[in-house]
Amino acid sequence: DVKVTQSSRYLVKRTGEKVFLECVQDMDHENMFWYRQDPGLGLRLIYFSYDVKMKEKGDIPEGYSVSREKKERFSLILESASTNQTSMYLCASTRIGSQETQYFGPGTRLLVL
Amino acid sequence: KQEVTQIPAALSVPEGENLVLNCSFTDSAIYNLQWFRQDPGKGLTSLLLIQSSQREQTSGRLNASLDKSSGRSTLYIAASQPGDSATYLCLPGTYKYIFGTGTRLKVLA
Repeated sequence: DVKVTQSSRYLVKRTGEKVFLECVQDMDHENMFWYRQDPGLGLRLIYFSYDVKMKEKGDIPEGYSVSREKKERFSLILESASTNQTSMYLCASTRIGSQETQYFGPGTRLLVL
Repeated sequence: KQEVTQIPAALSVPEGENLVLNCSFTDSAIYNLQWFRQDPGKGLTSLLLIQSSQREQTSGRLNASLDKSSGRSTLYIAASQPGDSATYLCLPGTYKYIFGTGTRLKVLA
């Protein structure tokens, strides 16, 4: 079974802190994604990556950056956390191809005080 | 830019009814389309994946159809049960993988 793991289930940070959210997948997937989910706004794509050291902006990249130094790991970085970044963050991965399912991690619920 | 809309946004039905959930998308250059369910406070569970060359896919009481040229997919739930209560999300597989807005379903016992 494909496994996508996220480093923390719950995280509490202070405004202005630098925050790292880690995602690791164990199935050699090329594609990895970071979403945030907020009530009434659904799942919104922050950044995605189709290969090591490659990144593309999603719909809401402002205030975030990403890093993909190894194929299995995709990190989301909040350079200076703000209260409006309080949210549920979901990581996903998939292999390129029409028959490939997108697999999700359990999510990280981040609270920025 | 891909835009994905799901109708209705919310639905409340008595147990036993057959349901149709709709998903429309603007960029028809998709690899596939997935339907997910999400229970409150939980992660996403993949229900069905339809490849771009397929017209439909079935799993138990669920049937999903895809009309790629018109940018539409439907999820049919037969004989609904209270355990089907969840939010249903569609995900057209394109370059950016943008989710639909979701349909919140409540099945009443």
